[in-house]
This record gives sequence, structure tokens and C-alpha cells, in this order.
Amino acid sequence: QSVLTQPPSVSGAPGQRVTISCTGDSSNIGAGYDVHWYQQLPGTAPKLLMYGNNKRPSGVPDRFSGSKSGTSASLAITGLQAEDEADYYCQSYDSGLEVFGGGTKVTVL
Amino acid sequence: QVQLQESGPRLLKPSQTLSLTCTVSGGSIGGGGSDWSWIRQFPGKGLEWIGYIFHSGSTHRNPSLKSRVIISLDTSKHQFSLTLDSVTAADTAVYYCARGLLYGGARFFDSWGQGSLVTVSS
Repeated sequence: QSVLTQPPSVSGAPGQRVTISCTGDSSNIGAGYDVHWYQQLPGTAPKLLMYGNNKRPSGVPDRFSGSKSGTSASLAITGLQAEDEADYYCQSYDSGLEVFGGGTKVTVL
Repeated sequence: QVQLQESGPRLLKPSQTLSLTCTVSGGSIGGGGSDWSWIRQFPGKGLEWIGYIFHSGSTHRNPSLKSRVIISLDTSKHQFSLTLDSVTAADTAVYYCARGLLYGGARFFDSWGQGSLVTVSS
């Protein structure tokens, strides 16, 4: 049972927009801690996709965007591409430790 | 761009001690605003942060693992290490080392090793 809750899967056709939610509570996201996002392609290590709720590291396409409100955060992918098919994880801080969401598998139909 | 590489035994028996080393290249392991973490990923995909160490040598560990975990640093070898005592099958996972940067109260991990699958089985 992860501290941060994500939907197990989302899907969309190429070119569509999909969003992934990350729901926490008042001891993590709601306490004001930032949310970070990672993309994990099959057989590889997670890769930082978004930090500080909505900041993209160098090299991350602007098709990816992030937001945070209250006790939740979201990652949006616009103009979905086949290469975006991967697992996505949110991460924040809670009661003395870094915590991750359970992960969301994005499938491109 | 800093690179990290894990090394260590991949197969352990229950009650043995897991020991992994992470070698850092392309950047300084001592100093700067970053710290060095161990993170594991279970077969069912879930990620768990194990702990981190600062360049000063001070550490912070996940409370659920604190009694079994030691993290150490050897700046002369550009390495940091993880020791996990009394392993069980529940410790079977891919173990990653990663560089952390604190931002907005939660550190993010911008560089990861490729991961080391450690299996605990009798």
C-alpha cells in the first residue's frame, strides 16, 4: 500500500492527452512538500521527468507538464506518442522519508 | 553528467547480509548540494526509498529498515555502500543507487544507476 495513490493504468491514442493523478494527504503533498515524477521504460531505471511539481529537466519534451493542488498532483502528457508507453511514478516526502506512488502504466493504443 | 553503477552479490540465502557498492563517475561525490541514496524496486514494481548519505558522512534511513541498514561513504574511491542485515525473501528487489537533490522539502533523484537485482532464496 503506497503512501501516494496513483491509478494503475491509463491509456490513450497517439496524439491524445492523458493525465495521471497522484493523491496524498495532509502529511505529504497537503503539507506543502513538492512532488516529483519519474518515467520508467521497460527494463531500465527510473528517469527524472518532472521536479518541483512542474519543472522539466533539460531534455524532457514540453509535452509533459505537471501541477499540484491541495493534497494531489497531476502529470499530463499531451500529443501522446508511442515512445511514451512506460510506467510513471510520483514521489514526495512524508514523516521523515521519501515516498513514492504505486506507479501508473501508460499504454498507447 | 554524473553516472552511477551498482556492484555486489546478486544471490543471497535468508539471514545473510546484503552488501552493495555504488561507484560514482563524472562528478564529485564529496561536496555540493547533493546526497546519495539507495532505492529498491520490488518485483511488483513498487519503489521504496532505503536511505541516503551526505558528503559529511551523516545518514538518514527509512524508519522501517533503520535497524538493518548501514550506509557508508568512501570519497577517495568515489563510492558509497549499502549493507542490509538478516535478509529474507521480502528483500528480493532491484536495488538502485541514485543522486538526490533537496527541492521543495522533498528530494528528487536526477541520476540513477542501472540497478542490481538481488534475489534472496534458500
